[in-house]
Amino acid sequence: ETGVTQTPRHLVMGMTNKKSLKCEQHLGHNAMYWYKQSAKKPLELMFVYSLEERVENNSVPSRFSPECPNSSHLFLHLHTLQPEDSALYLCASSPDKGGGYTFGSGTRLTVV
Amino acid sequence: GESVGLHLPTLSVQEGDNSIINCAYSNSASDYFIWYKQESGKGPQFIIDIRSNMDKRQGQRVTVLLNKTVKHLSLQIAATQPGDSAVYFCAETEANFGNEKLTFGTGTRLTIIP
Repeated sequence: ETGVTQTPRHLVMGMTNKKSLKCEQHLGHNAMYWYKQSAKKPLELMFVYSLEERVENNSVPSRFSPECPNSSHLFLHLHTLQPEDSALYLCASSPDKGGGYTFGSGTRLTVV
Repeated sequence: GESVGLHLPTLSVQEGDNSIINCAYSNSASDYFIWYKQESGKGPQFIIDIRSNMDKRQGQRVTVLLNKTVKHLSLQIAATQPGDSAVYFCAETEANFGNEKLTFGTGTRLTIIP
């Protein structure tokens, strides 16, 4: 247990489904992040939230929609995904935008 | 373009031996570097970091070496153990830009042979 909890651990969804990934941290961190990890590719930063405000979205397709209701929770809402969106989605938090990361264990997403 | 990469995608080391994982970076403005370890089914875990004003930093059984002249970073693991089997990533950033500019390498899979 790293202090950052992600649910579900595994998710299989059809291209027409709507689902949400959840991330929770109780480390008192002020920044939270979504990363995408695909096979044989570097970690790709998707979204950054600092003090609950989004500060970076890195041109992520609109079928991915983040939500940060408070500093402890982060969601990634998914709809009309494509098979190439299948990947491990990692949540991380840090004390501030420049502090060291604590990663969650990820959600393994498969789009069929 | 700027890139962070690893020389070898896989590395096998006999248990008890030392291992060295290498990383090259191309952004000469990078001044903060981090090594992460990712075990199967888990997220990346911080191992050790180094700032550009240092050439070497040691932790418990791990040493990071930074050669700014050739833009090369290495992670040395001493007396490897089965629990060291994992994928290791280097990451770089310019400290003033914070985590949103953190660039990760693709990773090296380290396998410890019993």
